Parts: sequence; C-alpha cells; structure tokens
Amino acid sequence: DGGITQSPKYLFRKEGQNVTLSCEQNLNHDAMYWYRQDPGQGLRLIYYSQIVNDFQKGDIAEGYSVSREKKESFPLTVTSAQKNPTAFYLCASSIDRGGTGELFFGEGSRLTVL
Amino acid sequence: QKEVEQNSGPLSVPEGAIASLNCTYSDRVSQSFFWYRQYSGKSPELIMSIYSNGDKEDGRFTAQLNKASQYVSLLIRDSQPSDSATYLCAVRAGGMRFGAGTRLTVKP
Repeated sequence: DGGITQSPKYLFRKEGQNVTLSCEQNLNHDAMYWYRQDPGQGLRLIYYSQIVNDFQKGDIAEGYSVSREKKESFPLTVTSAQKNPTAFYLCASSIDRGGTGELFFGEGSRLTVL
Repeated sequence: QKEVEQNSGPLSVPEGAIASLNCTYSDRVSQSFFWYRQYSGKSPELIMSIYSNGDKEDGRFTAQLNKASQYVSLLIRDSQPSDSATYLCAVRAGGMRFGAGTRLTVKP
C-alpha cells in the first residue's frame, strides 16, 4: 500500500543529544514537509522540500536540519540546539510543488527529552 | 494576527445534533481549504477539501467557503460519538497553514 512511514514512533533522548527522525514515502510525491505539534496546538511548519536536493525553512527551523537526497526520503534531525524538542513530529507529502492539493500525513513520531 | 484562526473550543454537542466549526484566514491569495480530523495521539486525516465559494457536501459533512469574508466552516450533521476529535482548519497558498484546532465532544 502507498503511504508515508515515519520511524520511530516513540523516541526518548537525553539533553544534548542529536536525534534523527525518518520519513519515507512511496506515493511518488514531489513535496515533503515536517511539522511540529505541541499539546493543544496546531501544526507548525519546520522545513519543506519541493524537489530533491532542495529544501526551505519553515516558521520554526531553528535547531532542526533536514536533507532530501532521494525523492522518497526526508529525514529530520533534531539537534541539541533545539531548546524545547519534546513534541509530536509529523511528516507529510503532497503531489504538487507549492500548489493547491492536500497533504498526506504519516503516523507521527513522539519525541521526549529526559 | 494569526494566519488561520478557529473558534475557540472545546465544543460539546449531544448525539444527533449539528456541530458547527468555524475558521477565518488572513491570506487573501489562499487557493485551497481543508478540514482535517485528528484523534488524540494520532495524525490528521483529511475529511473535506473545498476550492470555490459555496457549499460542498460529503455524507454528513458540509464545508462552506466565503472567500470575500475569508471564512471557512464545517458542519457535521447527525453527530456521532465517533466524531469526537480535534478538527483542524488548513489553508493553502503555496504552503499549508493550520489553525490551532477545535476540540469537539459528542455526548451520547
């Protein structure tokens, strides 16, 4: 089945450690996104990529990094520079680049900093 | 001013009633509008999309769009306990922007 796979679903990190969240899609979508969600809040855009080897900062990119070496993959690294990384992270994709279509979401990764 | 604002919740309705969810947006060049449903601890799932002014119906759900007023709404008829979730309004003008969500509880 086509879809978006995020891993791991749950991740615990000690302060000062970098962690990488995986996002893989087999929908052949051009665009991919990373959002962060905090309790009781909506989704905030971290990074997005409309094409391989290119990505743009979203509203809250500080403390995060991404890469887009393959169309199918858009991993997110939460660095030690991110002051409050505990959150629910959602990866999404869309068939169009900056167009009008819907976003499809993965199941999410919940990161907890101990 | 927030780009996408939703009516503050939580919203509670009895089973069988109509639930009304509202959303306003600030970017006049927005082209597409979506309602996502999100159950606690889960990822959002699309329930409605609307692109032109007027109403769009899909089963028990009706989305309404008024671009002049920069207003989008979602009506849920014959509300069921399984409709209890947080509803996210999303607006796309290139990038997708989300509201903070309205939590709906349908009481049996």
